[in-house]
Order: sequence, then structure tokens, then C-alpha cells
Amino acid sequence: GQQVMQIPQYQHVQEGEDFTTYCNSSTTLSNIQWYKQRPGGHPVFLIQLVKSGEVKKQKRLTFQFGEAKKNSSLHITATQTTDVGTYFCAGNYNTDKLIFGTGTRLQVFP
Amino acid sequence: DTEVTQTPKHLVMGMTNKKSLKCEQHMGHRAMYWYKQKAKKPPELMFVYSYEKLSINESVPSRFSPECPNSSLLNLHLHALQPEDSALYLCASSPRTPPEQFFGPGTRLTVL
Repeated sequence: GQQVMQIPQYQHVQEGEDFTTYCNSSTTLSNIQWYKQRPGGHPVFLIQLVKSGEVKKQKRLTFQFGEAKKNSSLHITATQTTDVGTYFCAGNYNTDKLIFGTGTRLQVFP
Repeated sequence: DTEVTQTPKHLVMGMTNKKSLKCEQHMGHRAMYWYKQKAKKPPELMFVYSYEKLSINESVPSRFSPECPNSSLLNLHLHALQPEDSALYLCASSPRTPPEQFFGPGTRLTVL
């Protein structure tokens, strides 16, 4: 079946350091989405990537979709304490269903 | 109104109880979803309603029964649950395909 894996599982960084999480699908994706879930909160939609090789930026966040549409990454430049949370990628295979990745928990120390 | 609301926020129930979770959105979204999330795990899809019709059931046990009375409302009826069903139950809606999800705050369910 379709699976979406993320690495690393956890990442602890000092405030100001960069952070990257990687997402891999077992099969080709139609599109990929990224969500952030703060501790005690609910997932919040960040962005969607659709095209092969697509790169999108949101302030300090850079999202990439691989050429083969099987992997994606989220890079945060100069982390802040407000970036703390779990980042999930979610793969879509051209249906109403999203398959969430395993998530990367980010902890930022001041 | 640009949010998804869920009630109650917390629910404690015994294994013989019947209870219902409620989800509402007034954004005109065509699809609504129920997810179950255990601690430190990703959301797991349970059900999808598209245009008020059940389109996906992820082999969920019959003790969970979804209902979509209208395009704005989604219920999850619970009966004879097990302690392992304790989790955060999230509702989401989406306006289109591909389905970016707008999540509600969730109901934290404890089954004793």
C-alpha cells in the first residue's frame, strides 16, 4: 500500500539554526501538502506542491517537491521558538484521501 | 466564518455508553473528514464524506458510525467503545480536490 515516511523523527535545534525535514513516498504522488501541529493543537495547512521540481517559499520556510514526485522537503532558516511543533507531510494520490507522513517533531531551544 | 468547530472539546465515556461528536463548517466546503490521532502519531483517516455522501470508509469498526445530515454538519456516533479507542478525534473539511484540509480543534476522547 501507499506509505509516506518522514525523517528525522525528532530534531532539537538552538534558536537561529536551520532545520530540514524530509518526506518520501513509496509511490508517485499527485501532490504533497505540509501541515504544522503545535503541542496540544490541531494540524494547520501550510502549503501544497503539485508540479515536479516545484519550490515554494513562505518567509523563512522553503518547500521542495522532487523531480520524480516521490519526495519532498521542508527547510526552515534561522529557527525561532515559535517554530516548535510537529511537521507532517501528507501525500495525495489523486483521490479525496491524504496519507500523512510519520511527522518530525521540532524543538527549539532559546 | 472561516473555521471548523467541534464539540465537545473533551469527552469521557464508559464502554457501554453511547455518545456523539459533532463537527460544523460554514465555508461551503464539499468534503468533510473524520480522523483519529493517537499521541505522537499522525492523523489516521477514518471516513470521508463528499457532497454529503460517504465516499471513503477506512475499514473502521462498526462501533464508530458517521453521519452527514447536511453539507455543513458531520457527526460521529460512538457506541460500545474500547479503552484503546481513546484518542484525539479530528474533523476536517476541504473545498476542492486536491484536498487541502482545514482541521477543527478536535475532541479528546477517553474511554474508561
